[in-house]
Amino acid sequence: SQQGEEDPQALSIQEGENATMNCSYKTSINNLQWYRQNSGRGLVHLILIRSNEREKHSGRLRVTLDTSKKSSSLLITASRAADTASYFCATDANQAGTALIFGKGTTLSVSS
Amino acid sequence: NAGVTQTPKFQVLKTGQSMTLQCAQDMNHEYMSWYRQDPGMGLRLIHYSVGAGITDQGEVPNGYNVSRSTTEDFPLRLLSAAPSQTSVYFCASSSLPGQGGGKLFFGSGTQLSVL
Repeated sequence: SQQGEEDPQALSIQEGENATMNCSYKTSINNLQWYRQNSGRGLVHLILIRSNEREKHSGRLRVTLDTSKKSSSLLITASRAADTASYFCATDANQAGTALIFGKGTTLSVSS
Repeated sequence: NAGVTQTPKFQVLKTGQSMTLQCAQDMNHEYMSWYRQDPGMGLRLIHYSVGAGITDQGEVPNGYNVSRSTTEDFPLRLLSAAPSQTSVYFCASSSLPGQGGGKLFFGSGTQLSVL
């Protein structure tokens, strides 16, 4: 079974709005990562948050991590049409931090 | 730098045929992995390796073999292709998590169809 599950499965917003995606996972982790995939392309790393961190920012991205609830959220502020993509969370499935397991993803559509 | 290079980009096989998907990275990464991506299923980990001579199974290893004879290369072998192996395959690499790594770099994928 997959470690991480994103919610919602799909999200449609207008340019300029904020987009929030959530990820829940099952077992304890060393870190949690978010990736983006444009249609037909490989995944691109967005941000990594370690288990002892609660919040991290990178440009228009804000990631939070709540290890007590085993959940994370990705906020994209002031969305642009170019943010249209699928977003995946990934968690390490073993103590060594290897074996990165992905969720099923959230498909974000940003219309202008 | 080329990053992670996967070949071929597209492949059509007949049931029962064997083939090898190639993956090479030029970033001196110890960690390499293979995923398959199916519609609505996200990415599922097939096999991974933390260094030359070391491989381990992921979530869906059946029907696939790997070996890691060099740091740069991590080929994925389909021994006897089945229609259920029709998918897009991604190779990824990173520095080891314990050495400040963990951020995966992905190849552009191989689209495989098994008839």
